[in-house]
Amino acid sequence: DAGVTQSPTHLIKTRGQQVTLRCSPKSGHDTVSWYQQALGQGPQFIFQYYEEEERQRGNFPDRFSGHQFPNYSSELNVNALLLGDSALYLCASSLAGDNQPQHFGDGTRLSIL
Amino acid sequence: ILNVEQSPQSLHVQEGDSTNFTCSFPSSNFYALHWYRWETAKSPEALFVMTLNGDEKKKGRISATLNTKEGYSYLYIKGSQPEDSATYLCAFWGNNNDMRFGAGTRLTVKP
Repeated sequence: DAGVTQSPTHLIKTRGQQVTLRCSPKSGHDTVSWYQQALGQGPQFIFQYYEEEERQRGNFPDRFSGHQFPNYSSELNVNALLLGDSALYLCASSLAGDNQPQHFGDGTRLSIL
Repeated sequence: ILNVEQSPQSLHVQEGDSTNFTCSFPSSNFYALHWYRWETAKSPEALFVMTLNGDEKKKGRISATLNTKEGYSYLYIKGSQPEDSATYLCAFWGNNNDMRFGAGTRLTVKP
Protein backbone atom coordinates (compact mmCIF):
# COMPACT_ATOMS: atom_id res chain seq x y z
CA ASP A 1 0.00 0.00 0.00
CA ALA A 2 1.74 3.12 -1.24
CA GLY A 3 1.90 6.04 1.12
CA VAL A 4 1.90 9.67 0.07
CA THR A 5 4.15 10.25 -2.91
CA GLN A 6 5.43 13.60 -4.10
CA SER A 7 7.24 14.61 -7.24
CA PRO A 8 9.75 15.85 -8.04
CA THR A 9 12.00 15.36 -5.01
CA HIS A 10 14.18 18.34 -5.86
CA LEU A 11 13.69 21.29 -8.16
CA ILE A 12 15.70 24.37 -9.04
CA LYS A 13 14.00 27.42 -10.54
CA THR A 14 14.84 31.06 -11.07
CA ARG A 15 12.97 34.13 -9.90
CA GLY A 16 9.84 34.89 -11.88
CA GLN A 17 9.33 31.36 -13.09
CA GLN A 18 6.38 29.15 -12.32
CA VAL A 19 6.44 25.72 -10.71
CA THR A 20 4.04 22.80 -10.31
CA LEU A 21 4.48 20.23 -7.57
CA ARG A 22 2.54 16.99 -7.49
CA CYS A 23 1.16 14.77 -4.77
CA SER A 24 -0.58 11.40 -4.72
CA PRO A 25 -2.39 10.69 -1.46
CA LYS A 26 -2.27 7.51 0.54
CA SER A 27 -4.71 4.95 -0.77
CA GLY A 28 -8.17 5.56 0.69
CA HIS A 29 -7.51 9.18 1.63
CA ASP A 30 -9.61 11.94 0.11
CA THR A 31 -8.14 15.07 1.64
CA VAL A 32 -4.83 16.66 0.68
CA SER A 33 -3.03 19.46 2.47
CA TRP A 34 0.07 21.36 1.40
CA TYR A 35 2.68 22.88 3.69
CA GLN A 36 5.76 25.02 3.22
CA GLN A 37 8.66 24.48 5.55
CA ALA A 38 11.42 27.05 5.54
CA LEU A 39 14.71 26.26 7.21
CA GLY A 40 14.46 26.26 10.98
CA GLN A 41 10.69 26.67 11.08
CA GLY A 42 7.74 24.37 11.47
CA PRO A 43 5.57 23.57 8.48
CA GLN A 44 3.31 26.44 7.46
CA PHE A 45 -0.14 25.50 6.21
CA ILE A 46 -0.80 26.60 2.61
CA PHE A 47 -4.18 25.06 1.83
CA GLN A 48 -6.29 21.94 1.96
CA TYR A 49 -8.29 20.29 -0.80
CA TYR A 50 -11.32 18.08 -0.42
CA GLU A 51 -13.75 17.00 -3.14
CA GLU A 52 -11.71 18.93 -5.69
CA GLU A 53 -12.22 22.22 -3.89
CA GLU A 54 -10.02 24.36 -1.69
CA ARG A 55 -11.55 23.91 1.76
CA GLN A 56 -9.13 25.86 3.94
CA ARG A 57 -6.34 28.29 3.22
CA GLY A 58 -3.45 29.61 5.25
CA ASN A 59 -1.83 33.00 5.01
CA PHE A 60 -0.27 32.65 1.56
CA PRO A 61 -0.61 35.00 -1.43
CA ASP A 62 -2.63 34.22 -4.52
CA ARG A 63 0.58 33.24 -6.30
CA PHE A 64 0.06 29.93 -4.53
CA SER A 65 -2.76 27.95 -6.09
CA GLY A 66 -3.73 24.35 -6.23
CA HIS A 67 -5.91 21.74 -7.71
CA GLN A 68 -7.32 18.38 -6.72
CA PHE A 69 -8.24 15.80 -9.33
CA PRO A 70 -11.06 13.22 -9.25
CA ASN A 71 -8.55 10.55 -8.17
CA TYR A 72 -7.72 12.77 -5.13
CA SER A 73 -4.21 13.58 -6.34
CA SER A 74 -3.24 17.21 -6.09
CA GLU A 75 -0.99 19.87 -7.55
CA LEU A 76 0.52 22.94 -5.97
CA ASN A 77 1.31 25.78 -8.38
CA VAL A 78 3.42 28.77 -7.51
CA ASN A 79 3.68 31.67 -9.94
CA ALA A 80 6.19 34.51 -10.13
CA LEU A 81 8.65 32.71 -7.90
CA LEU A 82 10.55 34.72 -5.31
CA LEU A 83 13.79 33.85 -3.56
CA GLY A 84 11.79 33.48 -0.36
CA ASP A 85 9.80 30.64 -1.89
CA SER A 86 12.81 28.38 -1.47
CA ALA A 87 11.65 25.73 0.98
CA LEU A 88 10.60 22.14 1.48
CA TYR A 89 7.02 21.66 0.30
CA LEU A 90 5.20 18.87 2.07
CA CYS A 91 2.00 17.20 1.03
CA ALA A 92 -0.13 15.36 3.57
CA SER A 93 -3.22 13.26 3.04
CA SER A 94 -5.93 12.19 5.42
CA LEU A 95 -9.51 11.15 5.62
CA ALA A 96 -11.97 14.04 5.80
CA GLY A 97 -12.25 15.57 9.27
CA ASP A 98 -10.01 17.90 11.22
CA ASN A 99 -9.13 15.33 13.88
CA GLN A 100 -7.78 12.79 11.44
CA PRO A 101 -4.03 12.16 11.55
CA GLN A 102 -2.20 13.26 8.45
CA HIS A 103 0.22 11.12 6.50
CA PHE A 104 3.06 13.08 4.97
CA GLY A 105 5.07 12.61 1.83
CA ASP A 106 8.83 13.06 1.73
CA GLY A 107 8.48 16.55 0.31
CA THR A 108 9.79 18.49 -2.67
CA ARG A 109 12.85 20.63 -2.04
CA LEU A 110 12.44 23.80 -4.13
CA SER A 111 15.41 26.10 -4.58
CA ILE A 112 15.03 29.50 -6.22
CA LEU A 113 18.16 31.06 -7.72
CA ILE B 1 -0.56 32.78 23.26
CA LEU B 2 -1.27 33.49 19.61
CA ASN B 3 1.22 31.09 18.07
CA VAL B 4 2.08 27.47 18.69
CA GLU B 5 5.28 27.33 20.68
CA GLN B 6 7.40 24.32 21.47
CA SER B 7 10.10 24.09 24.07
CA PRO B 8 12.87 23.38 24.33
CA GLN B 9 14.03 23.97 20.77
CA SER B 10 16.54 21.15 21.11
CA LEU B 11 17.36 18.53 23.70
CA HIS B 12 20.26 16.13 24.19
CA VAL B 13 19.79 13.17 26.53
CA GLN B 14 21.60 9.94 27.29
CA GLU B 15 20.20 6.56 26.33
CA GLY B 16 17.89 5.38 29.09
CA ASP B 17 16.95 8.86 30.29
CA SER B 18 13.31 9.84 30.35
CA THR B 19 12.45 13.21 28.88
CA ASN B 20 9.56 15.50 28.14
CA PHE B 21 8.84 18.62 26.16
CA THR B 22 6.06 21.10 25.78
CA CYS B 23 3.69 22.42 23.15
CA SER B 24 1.84 25.64 24.02
CA PHE B 25 -1.11 26.75 21.93
CA PRO B 26 -4.04 29.21 21.99
CA SER B 27 -6.50 28.10 24.69
CA SER B 28 -9.49 29.54 22.84
CA ASN B 29 -11.18 27.97 19.83
CA PHE B 30 -9.42 24.65 20.44
CA TYR B 31 -10.47 21.76 18.23
CA ALA B 32 -7.59 19.26 18.18
CA LEU B 33 -3.87 18.88 18.78
CA HIS B 34 -1.67 16.54 16.77
CA TRP B 35 1.80 15.29 17.63
CA TYR B 36 4.17 14.17 14.88
CA ARG B 37 7.61 12.61 14.89
CA TRP B 38 9.92 13.66 12.07
CA GLU B 39 13.14 11.76 11.53
CA THR B 40 15.83 13.27 9.34
CA ALA B 41 15.36 12.44 5.65
CA LYS B 42 11.94 10.92 6.28
CA SER B 43 8.42 12.33 6.29
CA PRO B 44 6.59 13.29 9.50
CA GLU B 45 4.79 10.41 11.17
CA ALA B 46 1.60 10.92 13.16
CA LEU B 47 1.92 9.99 16.84
CA PHE B 48 -1.25 11.23 18.53
CA VAL B 49 -4.46 13.09 17.82
CA MET B 50 -5.81 14.69 21.00
CA THR B 51 -9.17 16.39 21.29
CA LEU B 52 -10.40 16.33 24.89
CA ASN B 53 -9.12 18.25 27.89
CA GLY B 54 -7.34 15.80 30.16
CA ASP B 55 -6.66 13.35 27.31
CA GLU B 56 -3.72 11.09 27.85
CA LYS B 57 -2.48 8.93 25.00
CA LYS B 58 0.26 6.34 24.94
CA LYS B 59 2.17 4.55 22.21
CA GLY B 60 4.89 2.29 23.53
CA ARG B 61 7.35 4.40 25.51
CA ILE B 62 5.84 7.66 24.27
CA SER B 63 2.88 9.32 25.91
CA ALA B 64 1.19 12.71 25.73
CA THR B 65 -1.16 14.74 27.88
CA LEU B 66 -3.45 17.61 26.97
CA ASN B 67 -4.68 20.64 28.91
CA THR B 68 -6.95 22.70 26.67
CA LYS B 69 -7.96 25.17 29.41
CA GLU B 70 -4.42 26.41 29.90
CA GLY B 71 -3.28 25.64 26.36
CA TYR B 72 -0.48 23.10 26.64
CA SER B 73 0.41 19.53 25.85
CA TYR B 74 3.33 17.50 27.13
CA LEU B 75 5.06 14.71 25.25
CA TYR B 76 6.94 12.19 27.40
CA ILE B 77 9.47 9.61 26.31
CA LYS B 78 10.37 6.95 28.86
CA GLY B 79 13.79 5.30 28.66
CA SER B 80 14.96 7.17 25.54
CA GLN B 81 16.68 5.15 22.84
CA PRO B 82 18.92 6.41 20.01
CA GLU B 83 16.16 5.59 17.54
CA ASP B 84 13.95 8.15 19.31
CA SER B 85 16.21 10.88 17.91
CA ALA B 86 13.96 13.04 15.74
CA THR B 87 12.13 16.34 15.66
CA TYR B 88 8.80 16.23 17.46
CA LEU B 89 6.19 18.58 16.03
CA CYS B 90 2.85 19.60 17.44
CA ALA B 91 0.04 21.01 15.31
CA PHE B 92 -2.90 23.02 16.64
CA TRP B 93 -6.30 22.85 14.94
CA GLY B 94 -8.76 25.60 15.83
CA ASN B 95 -12.53 25.69 15.54
CA ASN B 96 -12.27 28.48 13.01
CA ASN B 97 -10.29 26.34 10.56
CA ASP B 98 -7.09 27.72 11.98
CA MET B 99 -4.21 25.28 11.71
CA ARG B 100 -0.67 25.93 12.91
CA PHE B 101 2.46 23.86 13.51
CA GLY B 102 5.06 24.59 16.14
CA ALA B 103 8.71 24.80 15.12
CA GLY B 104 9.44 21.46 16.78
CA THR B 105 11.72 20.08 19.48
CA ARG B 106 14.81 18.38 18.12
CA LEU B 107 15.69 15.41 20.33
CA THR B 108 19.09 13.72 20.20
CA VAL B 109 19.60 10.56 22.23
CA LYS B 110 23.24 9.62 22.77
CA PRO B 111 24.14 5.93 23.13
